[in-house]
Amino acid sequence: EAQVTQNPRYLITVTGKKLTVTCSQNMNHEYMSWYRQDPGLGLRQIYYSMNVEVTDKGDVPEGYKVSRKEKRNFPLILESPSPNQTSLYFCASSSPGVNTGELFFGEGSRLTVL
Amino acid sequence: AQTVTQSQPEMSVQEAETVTLSCTYDTSESDYYLFWYKQPPSRQMILVIRQEAYKQQNATENRFSVNFQKAAKSFSLKISDSQLGDAAMYFCAYHTGGTSYGKLTFGQGTILTVHP
Repeated sequence: EAQVTQNPRYLITVTGKKLTVTCSQNMNHEYMSWYRQDPGLGLRQIYYSMNVEVTDKGDVPEGYKVSRKEKRNFPLILESPSPNQTSLYFCASSSPGVNTGELFFGEGSRLTVL
Repeated sequence: AQTVTQSQPEMSVQEAETVTLSCTYDTSESDYYLFWYKQPPSRQMILVIRQEAYKQQNATENRFSVNFQKAAKSFSLKISDSQLGDAAMYFCAYHTGGTSYGKLTFGQGTILTVHP
């Protein structure tokens, strides 16, 4: 089954404690990205990756890091989380030229930073 | 930069009736794609319908159809014969026709309630 898998689905942490949200896709997609969803703002792109070892900032990258060492994995790293990073996070993948713009989303990770 | 606006934070409809969700966008591009995504309480993002800007014909998927007005930059979603399972948050989204590496620009979302 084609899917994007995120972990953890729920996480409560404290300010400053480093955490990583993992993302893995099994569709051999080149493009992967992270979004955050906040009330009244919709989803906003944090970072994206065009392929292995190629990443770039999205619209709201401050406070986040990513890496793409393997094609299937795209973890999101919060080095020193702060309360304003409390949000619902989505990983998504897609492939160029195939149903352009159609993203496959993970199930979301609800993060609370106290 | 492109922007997407959903001016209806909440909408409601009676079961079996029809409802229309509004979306406007701003772009200087002529080639792009528009989407409606559904997010039920499970939080899963589900693609409802897709429209290519170069196509004049409005997209349709079963009970879901769009009214795409390119000149007015409007992209509304019509849900016919509404069902309880249609209750969800609906997001309108824009994708450039050029290379954007999988970036969608989303609207703020509209919460749809379906009354039995």
